[in-house]
Amino acid sequence: SYELTQPPSVSVSPGQTARITCSGNALPKQDAYWYQQKPGQAPVLVIYKDSERPSGIPERFSGSTSGTTVTLTISGVQAEDEADYYCQSADSSGTYVVFGGGTKLTVL
Amino acid sequence: EVQLVESGGGLIQPGGSLRLSCAASGFTVSSNYMSWVRQAPGKGLEWVSVIYSGGSTYYADSVKGRFTISRDNSKNTLYLQMNSLRTEDTAVYYCARENGVQRTMTTVRRGGMDIWGQGTTVTVSS
Repeated sequence: SYELTQPPSVSVSPGQTARITCSGNALPKQDAYWYQQKPGQAPVLVIYKDSERPSGIPERFSGSTSGTTVTLTISGVQAEDEADYYCQSADSSGTYVVFGGGTKLTVL
Repeated sequence: EVQLVESGGGLIQPGGSLRLSCAASGFTVSSNYMSWVRQAPGKGLEWVSVIYSGGSTYYADSVKGRFTISRDNSKNTLYLQMNSLRTEDTAVYYCARENGVQRTMTTVRRGGMDIWGQGTTVTVSS
């Protein structure tokens, strides 16, 4: 079955830039999406179609893609950004949705 | 207001059945791809099932043959019938609307989940 690979954890100090990667063979064919999830809450979409930002999401959240890897970048990280982040995409056929394993962002 | 509200979770013994409901407001369930996503305690998100606007359904291998996704257009509600439940099905179950699907004659580019419910907890234990 198809898998998306994320680092389990990323740590940054406030004001620095956090980068979270997500790798998968079908990413050149399928769009990637990023979600933020805080404890006890439902996920929130923060990036869609690789690099687009939904209304209401701060400009410090951005997305990029290069080959089989997509990256979520959070510039000027704030304490409130501490959360779990998940990438999501689909297999090459578009039949099955898949989530990455998640990355815990710690703001030191 | 656009929202999804799940219900139907609870404590169930292994081998039992449960039906989850997801009531939508502010948009039409049957016009969208609708998914169920679950999260086991302390674990990541796992996609479970989808029903397309056209009615096609797909399942993760872990639930295929045991779970059935459906919808009631008159009630604007999504369902997940879960049979032969196992301890490993213990999780918070979310319903979500998938937005941004692009279909051509030969390809499907899937969308992202822009609306999520608050989740309902299913505990499978004896």
